[in-house]
Amino acid sequence: EAGVAQSPRYKIIEKRQSVAFWCNPISGHATLYWYQQILGQGPKLLIQFQNNGVVDDSQLPKDRFSAERLKGVDSTLKIQPAKLEDSAVYLCASSRFVGSATNEKLFFGSGTQLSVL
Amino acid sequence: QQPVQSPQAVILREGEDAVINCSSSKALYSVHWYRQKHGEAPVFLMILLKGGEQKGHEKISASFNEKKQQSSLYLTASQLSYSGTYFCGTEIRTGAGSYQLTFGKGTKLSVIP
Repeated sequence: EAGVAQSPRYKIIEKRQSVAFWCNPISGHATLYWYQQILGQGPKLLIQFQNNGVVDDSQLPKDRFSAERLKGVDSTLKIQPAKLEDSAVYLCASSRFVGSATNEKLFFGSGTQLSVL
Repeated sequence: QQPVQSPQAVILREGEDAVINCSSSKALYSVHWYRQKHGEAPVFLMILLKGGEQKGHEKISASFNEKKQQSSLYLTASQLSYSGTYFCGTEIRTGAGSYQLTFGKGTKLSVIP
């Protein structure tokens, strides 16, 4: 089966600029996640969607980050304005599970590596 | 709420065994294990659910001690392909019908010939 697609693969911007990342999950997967992975750290959940509804966005810095999942399929994560500390790999993942707890494996995309100068 | 992994890094020769530990200060619903190679996406290894159910990889085993809120990943007869960073994710119940999965900082495993 086709994997989780993300673009762009790399992005370099200056601080205070805006940037957007795109994710196309595996077909039929109801749940979609955006994670931020800072170098040397584990993935940190930013937002979780189930179909096109938000399940958890408690760790999303809402003053600068926003995300949407239109029609319960593709998703876009935006940062506006970017800060130096936003430099990280942004991973999108999807899962076929529907429910409260994560009882199914997550399929991760290759990520977008963001460098903020 | 981030789980603590140990060791932070380990170097093995091919054929040796390794154990990676993951512990939490909270009561756990499940533990998840992923492996990430440099520059690649994390890949699923195992889910251990409360009550003893396991879903995962054929060649990797793991344990989940619910009382101690700990999990261990056992890598036996290591191969060069086992190299990478291993992340455990611990899932806790945060409210009525709500759960949160949090990943640790990872254990870097290097297998050398």
